[in-house]
Amino acid sequence: RKEVEQDPGPFNVPEGATVAFNCTYSNSASQSFFWYRQDCRKEPKLLMSVYSSGNEDGRFTAQLNRASQYISLLIRDSKLSDSATYLCVVNIGFSGGYNKLIFGAGTRLAVHP
Amino acid sequence: DAGITQSPRHKVTETGTPVTLRCHQTENHRYMYWYRQDPGHGLRLIHYSYGVKDTDKGEVSDGYSVSRSKTEDFLLTLESATSSQTSVYFCAISEGRAGGTGANVLTFGAGSRLTVL
Repeated sequence: RKEVEQDPGPFNVPEGATVAFNCTYSNSASQSFFWYRQDCRKEPKLLMSVYSSGNEDGRFTAQLNRASQYISLLIRDSKLSDSATYLCVVNIGFSGGYNKLIFGAGTRLAVHP
Repeated sequence: DAGITQSPRHKVTETGTPVTLRCHQTENHRYMYWYRQDPGHGLRLIHYSYGVKDTDKGEVSDGYSVSRSKTEDFLLTLESATSSQTSVYFCAISEGRAGGTGANVLTFGAGSRLTVL
C-alpha cells in the first residue's frame, strides 16, 4: 500500500461545478499536510496548507480527518484555469535527518466550458 | 516567483554517460533538494542539502551524487546514466527545513527533463 494515495482521475467537470478530491495517508504519526498544484509540464506550486480545523482560501477549502487519515480539497465554482494536477503532500516526520515529505501521484482535474 | 533556475531544461543522453544537472538559486535559502517525478509516482527525494558542503541521501539516492560548494548552487550528477533514470528532475529550496509552513515551504524550479537511451 502506498503511503499517500490519490484517485488519479481525470475528473472532468463543467465550469461552475463543485469538485472534491480525497487523499488518504497510512502513517498515523503524520504531522502536516499540504495541497500543491501542478500545471501540465510545469513545476508543483503550493496551493494551501491543511490545518486541523480546516481552512479556506477563496474557492478552495481543505479539510483534515485524522481519525480516518484523509485530507480533502474542495473547489467551488470551478474555472477553466483550475485545470491541473493536484498533489497531496504529507509530512510524516523527522527521519534520517530531514522531514520526510511523501507526495501523492496526483489527481488530474479538467474543467471544460 | 522565487529565483530558482535549472539547467539544462532538456537533455537526451546515452546509457553509461555521465550527466550533471544544475540548480541555481538567488534566494539565499539554506535548504536545497533534488526530486524526481515519474508517471504514477509522487515526487521522490533523491538528495538534499542543509548548507554548503552539507548533503545527505533521500529515499532514492542510488546512482546519484550531489555537491554544494556555494549556497546558490546544488549539482546533481548521474555518474553513469541508466534508462531507469529517465525522468523529470525538480530542484526545490526552502528557507527552513521543509515540512512546515512559512519558511519551511518547498519552492520548486521548472524541472529538467532527462531521457536516457
